[in-house]
Amino acid sequence: DAKTTQPPSMDCAEGRAANLPCNHSTISGNEYVYWYRQIHSQGPQYIIHGLKNNETNEMASLIITEDRKSSTLILPHATLRDTAVYYCIVRVYVGSARQLTFGSGTQLTVLP
Amino acid sequence: DADVTQTPRNRITKTGKRIMLECSQTKGHDRMYWYRQDPGLGLRLIYYSFDVKDINKGEISDGYSVSRQAQAKFSLSLESAIPNQTALYFCATSGGADEKLFFGSGTQLSVL
Repeated sequence: DAKTTQPPSMDCAEGRAANLPCNHSTISGNEYVYWYRQIHSQGPQYIIHGLKNNETNEMASLIITEDRKSSTLILPHATLRDTAVYYCIVRVYVGSARQLTFGSGTQLTVLP
Repeated sequence: DADVTQTPRNRITKTGKRIMLECSQTKGHDRMYWYRQDPGLGLRLIYYSFDVKDINKGEISDGYSVSRQAQAKFSLSLESAIPNQTALYFCATSGGADEKLFFGSGTQLSVL
């Protein structure tokens, strides 16, 4: 089953772009990559997801490599409120169904 | 009002007590989930339900049970609480083709 690897922590200056990498080298051809974030101990919040094409929404952009083995979440103009743990996740089998399971994520700290 | 509501927000109980955490949703989603989060770690799936008659074990179901009383309600029970079940518990729902997860605000449970 596909797993993801993320750096445990990153810093970013306020107003600059934050680029969060994720490796998912064993992802299958029809699996989406999802990104969520968790601020303090709140419930995780959906950010974006994609299959093979780059995606953009009001929160972020997602760049997926052509071989789909890695992706990068881009927050174009990071603010202090973007300080959070960011999770890159794919579905893995839990019992008989594929479900979203969360690893440790990347702690992004936006510095003033 | 929140789309996914968890009660209680905080609970302190003693070892051996039975406790129930409740989750209700107004999103009309069929799928509901219970996750557990320990300090500094990601979320682990306890149980999930695809509809009222479909309950499935997650990664860490031992010591827990669930009940899907209606499409909108999914409760988690600890039959005999133990201290290592002290954690932050999240309920989530999903629906639609993209299967995005929507989380509640969490229940902080402390077992003394």
